[in-house]
Amino acid sequence: SQTIHQWPATLVQPVGSPLSLECTVEGTSNPNLYWYRQAAGRGLQLLFYSVGIGQISSEVPQNLSASRPQDRQFILSSKKLLLSDSGFYLCAWSVGTSGGGLTETQYFGPGTRLLVL
Amino acid sequence: AQSVTQPDIHITVSEGASLELRCNYSYGATPYLFWYVQSPGQGLQLLLKYFSGDTLVQGIKGFEAEFKRSQSSFNLRKPSVHWSDAAEYFCAVAPGGGFKTIFGAGTRLFVKA
Repeated sequence: SQTIHQWPATLVQPVGSPLSLECTVEGTSNPNLYWYRQAAGRGLQLLFYSVGIGQISSEVPQNLSASRPQDRQFILSSKKLLLSDSGFYLCAWSVGTSGGGLTETQYFGPGTRLLVL
Repeated sequence: AQSVTQPDIHITVSEGASLELRCNYSYGATPYLFWYVQSPGQGLQLLLKYFSGDTLVQGIKGFEAEFKRSQSSFNLRKPSVHWSDAAEYFCAVAPGGGFKTIFGAGTRLFVKA
């Protein structure tokens, strides 16, 4: 069966510090991968998605970036965190298709709570 | 542009009472529709989804949802709520052929004894 992991679970970082959140998926190949941010009391905002290694699409301009160095690894990064980067970050995966681009059910990881002080 | 509206920010129901959470979407064609549940501090879990066919969809944990094209709605229902159902519920819409699943702002469900 497929599983998705995120770490760390919780992170407290000072403003201006770098960030690296990691997400890995097991039990599937060539998944579509997603990063979402959930601010307190708000819905989910899609930040990035990836259909393959090295292929990243950004949905919202910001000081965050994403990378996919391996098929089942998705990393969210920042060089300098802002206060507004605080939130709950969720990674998700869906079944990839050879043609790319078919929306399917997304399966979410447990999330990382980030607090920037 | 596609959008999802969940009109109720929070709802309180008594344990054993019925539940209906509202969801309206804006999209030119029939989208893929989802309901997810999120327990505090956790990721999202899929409750049910609608792609095509029967407009009444059964999901896990005794939930069901009905797609009504004329009303652009996909309301979630449960006949008898349990205390463990207290969580936040998200409706989502995904236009077929794209990656951009759009989530509503969520409805937080409180269950009182």
